[in-house]
This record gives sequence, C-alpha cells and structure tokens, in this order.
Amino acid sequence: QQQVKQSPQSLIVQKGGISIINCAYENTAFDYFPWYQQFPGKGPALLIAIRPDVSEKKEGRFTISFNKSAKQFSLHIMDSQPGDSATYFCAASRANDMRFGAGTRLTVKP
Amino acid sequence: NAGVTQTPKFQVLKTGQSMTLQCAQDMNHEYMSWYRQDPGMGLRLIHYSVGAGITDQGEVPNGYNVSRSTTEDFPLRLLSAAPSQTSVYFCASSLAGGRKAFFGQGTRLTVV
Repeated sequence: QQQVKQSPQSLIVQKGGISIINCAYENTAFDYFPWYQQFPGKGPALLIAIRPDVSEKKEGRFTISFNKSAKQFSLHIMDSQPGDSATYFCAASRANDMRFGAGTRLTVKP
Repeated sequence: NAGVTQTPKFQVLKTGQSMTLQCAQDMNHEYMSWYRQDPGMGLRLIHYSVGAGITDQGEVPNGYNVSRSTTEDFPLRLLSAAPSQTSVYFCASSLAGGRKAFFGQGTRLTVV
C-alpha cells in the first residue's frame, strides 16, 4: 500500500498558467516533505522541501502548501514554462525512510 | 563536481545471472541509498546505509544485497536476476537520512 498518494498522474498546462500537484500521506511520523523534479533520462533533483511546522514555503515560482491536519501537501508552479515540463515526485520522509508518490508528468504547452 | 556516479548506465541480464551496480559519491555524505523506479510506482527504497559498515533494508529489499566498506562507495548486488527486477535503479546520497538527497543518473536494467 502506497504511503504517499499523488495526483494527478499527468497534467497539461498552458505557458503562463499555474500547475498544481497534490499529495496525501498516511504516516503522521513523517517530518520532511520534499518535491523532486525529474527530466527524461536523468535522476530526480530536489526542487523544494517543507517541514510540518510550516504551512507554506515559496522558492521563486515554486510554492509548497502544507495542511498538517488533512495530511496533505501540494506543489504550485506559477507562470509555468515549457522548461518546467518534467515528472514531479512528492515524498515524505522520517529518519532514514523516504516514501515517494507515483509521480506527475507535467507538460507545459507554449 | 561529479556528485553521485552510477555505472553502468544500461545493462541486459539473463534470468539467473548476477551482477553489481556501482555507485560512488564524492560529497563525503554518510547516508547512501538505492531506489528502484517503476512506472506508476514512483521510487521505492531497496537498501540504505548510514555510514561505512552499516546497512539496512528498505521497502523492497528481497533479491538484493549491499555492503558499504567506504564512505564513497555503495554497490548493489543482484544475486540471481529475475524479470521482476527489470527497472531503473537510482543511487542517492545525503548528509542525513532522506534530507536533501542527491541522485545519480540511474541504471536501466533489463532481465530477460
């Protein structure tokens, strides 16, 4: 059973639009929630991360919103660009264990 | 900056063969881990190590073996390859646990 559920599986957004990817987790012991970006043929790369004592974190065009009571967190990509087209993975971590969502393939159309 | 280096990039094995996937990092990270990536499954943790001489199992350890003799290297051994082990394998390293992990470029393994 997947401990981190991610949606949608795929997302198509127009250039300049907002991309939103959602994740939900089961285990309340998780204490670190990163998002990774992966381009074809490459390894995942850390994009942004948040801890559960913060409700929002913003880095440039990327924002994580975190709802501890609902056990949900989401990634918002503002002003989406074609170069943002990639697969995005959310994850939840506790100590030495990190669980990933199934991934969202984002396509930003010019 | 090499970061995390994995070799080989591609490999085809026959069922029952054994092989070792190599992983090396030059960031002096104590924590290293192996994941497999399958379509629709995300990445799943196979084994991890918190330092030289210390390894532990992750979510999907069966059929895989690891050892950590140095801080830099963390090889993954497939003892008797099975078609179910066809996957893309990623090695990662970080200063601590799952925090700020750096991933290698991956090894695409096909078992026929």
